[in-house]
Amino acid sequence: NAGVTQTPKFRVLKTGQSMTLLCAQDMNHEYMYWYRQDPGMGLRLIHYSVGEGTTAKGEVPDGYNVSRLKKQNFLLGLESAAPSQTSVYFCASSWRGASQETQYFGPGTRLLVL
Amino acid sequence: QKEVEQDPGPLSVPEGAIVSLNCTYSNSAFQYFMWYRQYSRKGPELLMYTYSSGNKEDGRFTAQVDKSSKYISLFIRDSQPSDSATYLCAMTGASGGSYIPTFGRGTSLIVHP
Repeated sequence: NAGVTQTPKFRVLKTGQSMTLLCAQDMNHEYMYWYRQDPGMGLRLIHYSVGEGTTAKGEVPDGYNVSRLKKQNFLLGLESAAPSQTSVYFCASSWRGASQETQYFGPGTRLLVL
Repeated sequence: QKEVEQDPGPLSVPEGAIVSLNCTYSNSAFQYFMWYRQYSRKGPELLMYTYSSGNKEDGRFTAQVDKSSKYISLFIRDSQPSDSATYLCAMTGASGGSYIPTFGRGTSLIVHP
């Protein structure tokens, strides 16, 4: 099993450009999450999904959109990138709610917005 | 005030030392407490998981929860250079049926030989 994979690993964008980050998991997990991690700020939840076709906002959703068309994939979109979105993005998945099951994290995507 | 407070460090200790990492929280609904370890340029991985109050031991690691004080700790005995990483506490509860965890900011630990 590959676990949780993220594509791409690193990307440089110019302000105003758009991009999509892809997260895939092969553990048949129901829940998937997108976090951003900035120095001194810890992990902050952007959006999450409790099942195929569902999405919900987290702590810092502005400027991002998500889709969960297939159970194994969770996409994070930036429609018009801003320098404030420079960060490391982590995807995670879990079987049910995180209280019952551990979250499995991907390796991260480093995004630099110039 | 954040729901979960964690000193970012860095905490630098010599090899073999006992390390104490701590988090405080304000939400009394939290019932599940987790510690994640994150190596540089990697994703976090679950280290310890505890429900409610009490201690849990796993090898050199001990997780402790004091719900009355809203305080959790992770102890590392006989610390090794390979323990150098960022340690994030996380917690969740049954508030509104949501189990989305709340993370601390992480403590950077450096164990030098």
